[in-house]
Amino acid sequence: NAGVIQTPRHKVTGKGQEATLWCEPISGHSAVFWYRQTIVQGLEFLTYFRNQAPIDDSGMPKERFSAQMPNQSHSTLKIQSTQPQDSAVYLCASSSRTGGARAETLYFGSGTRLTVL
Amino acid sequence: GDSVTQTEGQVALSEEDFLTIHCNYSASGYPALFWYVQYPGEGPQFLFRASRDKEKGSSRGFEATYDKGTTSFHLRKASVQESDSAVYYCALGESGSFNKLTFGAGTRLAVCP
Repeated sequence: NAGVIQTPRHKVTGKGQEATLWCEPISGHSAVFWYRQTIVQGLEFLTYFRNQAPIDDSGMPKERFSAQMPNQSHSTLKIQSTQPQDSAVYLCASSSRTGGARAETLYFGSGTRLTVL
Repeated sequence: GDSVTQTEGQVALSEEDFLTIHCNYSASGYPALFWYVQYPGEGPQFLFRASRDKEKGSSRGFEATYDKGTTSFHLRKASVQESDSAVYYCALGESGSFNKLTFGAGTRLAVCP
């Protein structure tokens, strides 16, 4: 099992450019989560999908950020017109439904470090 | 909303010292509690979890006990090693739904040989 795969590992963009980040969840996992990590804010939830359907995007900045999951094997996070404050490590995680009424365990990828100049 | 508080931002120890990292939570309902560890250049790794009061989670010599009365889930290890140097995150997951995790600010542990 290769774990959650995120590409690219590093991305540098100029201010105003678009950035697309890719995530391949663990095979068989039904949920995909996106988090953003910065020194100041720590780990911030952005959005998540279950069975490819968007469930909760309460952490997503309403402008410029969008996420999709076109099939069960990958998800993308797109940032339009990137700004320096978007610089962060973007982490993808996946989980499988284990049944019961308890929260699932998330398994994270190594992240994509986005730097906006 | 739900929140997690980790008291220590940084902890510096010597090998074979006893480790305690304090974690307190605030949540409606009955959350599941987690510990994750993050090494440089990697994403957070699941360490262990506990889902009900008095349940103890453990892994790799680390352990924590869910205490609903004090709303705590403190991480402990009897004898740390240099390889334990990392950032440790306490997290909670809302009960009753399969949902996102809320993380604490993290505690950076540095263990000197």
